Amino acid sequence: AQKITQTQPGMFVQEKEAVTLDCTYDTSDPSYGLFWYKQPSSGEMIFLIYQGSYDQQNATEGRYSLNFQKARKSANLVISASQLGDSAMYFCAMREGRGSGGGADGLTFGKGTHLIIQP
Amino acid sequence: EPEVTQTPSHQVTQMGQEVILRCVPISNHLYFYWYRQILGQKVEFLVSFYNNEISEKSEIFDDQFSVERPDGSNFTLKIRSTKLEDSAMYFCASRGIAALNEKLFFGSGTQLSVL
Repeated sequence: AQKITQTQPGMFVQEKEAVTLDCTYDTSDPSYGLFWYKQPSSGEMIFLIYQGSYDQQNATEGRYSLNFQKARKSANLVISASQLGDSAMYFCAMREGRGSGGGADGLTFGKGTHLIIQP
Repeated sequence: EPEVTQTPSHQVTQMGQEVILRCVPISNHLYFYWYRQILGQKVEFLVSFYNNEISEKSEIFDDQFSVERPDGSNFTLKIRSTKLEDSAMYFCASRGIAALNEKLFFGSGTQLSVL
């Protein structure tokens, strides 16, 4: 079963509009972390935002915020006032707590959403 | 901000040849990873490495793959006999501590093309 599901393969959005990128996850571990990365056409992976399973508030980083709905197991990324430079692939990823965390806790990624911002 | 460095940025090889992809993680990091991304697809975990040994590996990481930290700075991925389906972008990543919220720092990737 998919641990991270991103249901939007592609999205077109007008510049300056807000964007919501969907992410749902599946885990039985009560302790987990959720990450969003941006991958522009140049290929590098850029960290955007993090949300922990025990965090009481939704994470925010500048124009990025995370709409965390724990009961629904969703962690949607919201980009406010989109810009042309936001055009990229966006990946949701999860790390499960698994107790000791001794170095094996990499990230499991979703398939990504290709966001295109139109002028 | 410190960076993870990968070389080469592009590698073209013939099927059956051995390739070594090189990475220099961030200097005080302890946990190292290789991921791959086939064109247009998701980023897939290959292997994690800590304390000079493999911590975890995926089903993709079969006997044709190996990793090594030959000195205090480099972290390498070797593919012994490349196949066409090994063509992908390979990302190295590292992190400093085993905390749940510790992000992975990714290199810019090596695009491997197997002909």
